Amino acid sequence: DAGVIQSPRHEVTEMGQEVTLRCKPISGHNSLFWYRQTMMRGLELLIYFNNNVPIDDSGMPEDRFSAKMPNASFSTLKIQPSEPRDSAVYFCASSLRQEEETQYFGPGTRLLVL
Amino acid sequence: AQKVTQAQTEISVVEKEDVTLDCVYETRDTTYYLFWYKQPPSGELVFLIRRNSFDEQNEISGRYSWNFQKSTSSFNFTITASQVVDSAVYFCALSERGWGFGNEKLTFGTGTRLTIIP
Repeated sequence: DAGVIQSPRHEVTEMGQEVTLRCKPISGHNSLFWYRQTMMRGLELLIYFNNNVPIDDSGMPEDRFSAKMPNASFSTLKIQPSEPRDSAVYFCASSLRQEEETQYFGPGTRLLVL
Repeated sequence: AQKVTQAQTEISVVEKEDVTLDCVYETRDTTYYLFWYKQPPSGELVFLIRRNSFDEQNEISGRYSWNFQKSTSSFNFTITASQVVDSAVYFCALSERGWGFGNEKLTFGTGTRLTIIP
């Protein structure tokens, strides 16, 4: 089975531009998580969904960030407008309750905002 | 609030030596899960092991072993006969149950960068 798929793998954009990151969870998984990894703050949970419903978005840094999960096989994380401090690696992960909460991570999207 | 502490920021050992990575956690829950993930230089996060709070048995998988002690809130990871391919950042993480929604968020430690010297 395919693992978690993220696109793009790398993104370079200019400050003020809109950025959309995409994630396809493992088929059958019912929870999806977005994380951000930076040198300063380590791995931070931004938001997570259970059965396509956002459960906790307390980690979303500000209104410039938004996430959607229109169906069980697709999620987006959007930053609008982007800022240099948003530069980070963004990971998507998915899990299945029957697997005792184990989260499987995608390869990440490396975002650089100039 | 839950917390995971990995006090060792960086460790370097010579190949074939054994090395132990420490993880100490804090939680008020009685039901929780502990995890170790590996992040090699390529950047992906690879799941290594999961332990639930009711299972204190140590586990061995090849050269990897894990020691879970609730009395000291520790979940340490030992690599025996280390190899260059073990060089990576290793993260310990804690997940708590809550609110009946099932899968809950992970709290990660800051990671330990392990370098195996040939």
